[in-house]
Amino acid sequence: TQLLEQSPQFLSIQEGENLTVYCNSSSVFSSLQWYRQEPGEGPVLLVTVVTGGEVKKLKRLTFQFGDARKDSSLHITAAQPGDTGLYLCAGAESNYQLIWGAGTKLIIKP
Amino acid sequence: DTAVSQTPKYLVTQMGNDKSIKCEQNLGHDTMYWYKQDSKKFLKIMFSYNNKELIINETVPNRFSPKSPDKAHLNLHINSLELGDSAVYFCASSLRRTYEQYFGPGTRLTVT
Repeated sequence: TQLLEQSPQFLSIQEGENLTVYCNSSSVFSSLQWYRQEPGEGPVLLVTVVTGGEVKKLKRLTFQFGDARKDSSLHITAAQPGDTGLYLCAGAESNYQLIWGAGTKLIIKP
Repeated sequence: DTAVSQTPKYLVTQMGNDKSIKCEQNLGHDTMYWYKQDSKKFLKIMFSYNNKELIINETVPNRFSPKSPDKAHLNLHINSLELGDSAVYFCASSLRRTYEQYFGPGTRLTVT
């Protein structure tokens, strides 16, 4: 079974700062997804990256899939309080199962 | 329109009882899932059905039994509830070829 390590586990920063969350594995995934979960709700899909080296942008959020498709990063520019939440990465295995990271709890202070 | 719905939202029950959680999706997806999220927020897959066929059956006590009457519904029945079953249970659906999961709002189960 593949493992997906997510770092940092917890991040608390001031509004306006930049941050990066990492998702790493020793194995290759066919695709990787990022989700955001707010308290009391289910995770919501933000993006799926498929091609090695792929970069996708969602407003102030930039997602990158590593060239070897083993790792991914999420960069947030000028973080806002509305970005607060639990960020989860999930890699797709060949048997149609997602392998989930443990999550990064992000708090953006006004 | 709610995409993935679960009932109930909250469930408080005593040890030893049997309870069920229901899930429905109106997205036309062919695959549905049950996840357990513990207090540390780790999301663990329990079961997955594709077109009513069980395709993922992780190491879960056999007190947990999923049932999919059709592609749009996936229920979870739990027998002889234990304290350790307390968690948030999420239903999700996807198209099998994309893996992209759409989650329900969760059912917070508290066993006392």
